Amino acid sequence: LAKTTQPISMDSYEGQEVNITCSHNNIATNDYITWYQQFPSQGPRFIIQGYKTKVTNEVASLFIPADRKSSTLSLPRVSLSDTAVYYCLVGDMSGDDKIIFGKGTRLHILP
Amino acid sequence: DGGITQSPKYLFRKEGQNVTLSCEQNLNHDAMYWYRQDPGQGLRLIYYSQIVNDFQKGDIAEGYSVSREKKESFPLTVTSAQKNPTAFYLCASSIVGDSSYNEQFFGPGTRLTVL
Repeated sequence: LAKTTQPISMDSYEGQEVNITCSHNNIATNDYITWYQQFPSQGPRFIIQGYKTKVTNEVASLFIPADRKSSTLSLPRVSLSDTAVYYCLVGDMSGDDKIIFGKGTRLHILP
Repeated sequence: DGGITQSPKYLFRKEGQNVTLSCEQNLNHDAMYWYRQDPGQGLRLIYYSQIVNDFQKGDIAEGYSVSREKKESFPLTVTSAQKNPTAFYLCASSIVGDSSYNEQFFGPGTRLTVL
């Protein structure tokens, strides 16, 4: 399983774009990159998943460079409600292997 | 509504007592998972199951036990052997297969406090 490294915490202001970078130097060929969001006292919820280049949905964008050794979650125009912990996960997601949640990045949005 | 439920939301027990946390899903998922989360920490995997009547230990299985008699149910028992059981417990489920999109769906969690 590829180990991931992401900042412990980040602060930003409402209306700003927030980019959270995750490092995964040992990513395997079959691995996908997935991000989850967790609010206090709730279970994590899926945000976005990608394999290479760029993926965008209604919530976020995920940028993955050609070497796939890192990825960046981009949250456009954040609001106070985006204050949460964001987890970067790497794995083949087949369900045949356990997924490891690290400590995540604690994002704090300021007014 | 399809989803995953955990009960109860809050649970208090005396030290030395076993306690069982419930997890039920109606998503028809084959895989189910139990995680433990301590304050300010990430999720740590306790047990997981990919099929009925089979389960594997995660990273912190000591002091816990599970069963998977039905596809939709994956109860977790916190035994008296668990040295520090007070934590937030999360159950999740996912499909199993070749799909690249095996998102884990989480329940609302059970906060266990041992007095």
